[in-house]
Amino acid sequence: EVQLVESGGGLVQPGGSLRLSCAASGFTFSDHYMDWVRQAPGKGLEWVGRARNKPNSYTTEYAASVKGRFTLSRDDSKNSLYLQMNSLKTEDTAMYYCARESGYGFDSWGQGTLVTVSS
Amino acid sequence: SYELTQPPSVSVSPGQTASITCSGDELGNKFASWYQQKPGQSPVLVIYQDNKRPSGIPERFSGSNSGNTASLTISETQAMDEADYYCQAWDSNTEAVFGGGTKLTVL
Repeated sequence: EVQLVESGGGLVQPGGSLRLSCAASGFTFSDHYMDWVRQAPGKGLEWVGRARNKPNSYTTEYAASVKGRFTLSRDDSKNSLYLQMNSLKTEDTAMYYCARESGYGFDSWGQGTLVTVSS
Repeated sequence: SYELTQPPSVSVSPGQTASITCSGDELGNKFASWYQQKPGQSPVLVIYQDNKRPSGIPERFSGSNSGNTASLTISETQAMDEADYYCQAWDSNTEAVFGGGTKLTVL
């Protein structure tokens, strides 16, 4: 069974930093592109970024709203995906989901970890 | 930046067919996916590559994509289908874009 478990969320002040983790199991993690998707309270889904796999040089892409502030990384030896978030803003407050890419869609999602940016 | 537009809400009677649209410039030239999200839960993929159903998704869920519009159709709608639905596509295969979401009410 595919499982994605996010952790690392919490309350942080504006301008602060936070690192989210996503532990994957039940599939060959190294084969897949992995993404972060967020959802502000009461709002829709917003793509954050993507980490490609080793055959594609582990390259990353980001939404314009987080580019330069957020960094995706992955450790295939630990079946884990990470999201380093710096210079956080109040508008970054959201539930952050880890998602597996397959066939142009996101076919598996974690339960999410809540990030609250507030003073 | 690329945008996808969905109606905020759609209502359907139990047993009837619900259709949710998603509009974007030349969307038919991209693959569209659809997600179902119930309150307090993570999204679930219900359609990918325009019209393919993941295993475990009922046959009453179907999709199409042509021109500027993708559609999700739910036949014989049940109360359990009440949820928010989001379309999604890739812009230049480098940025995932979601529609704003449609709240499906079964009444």
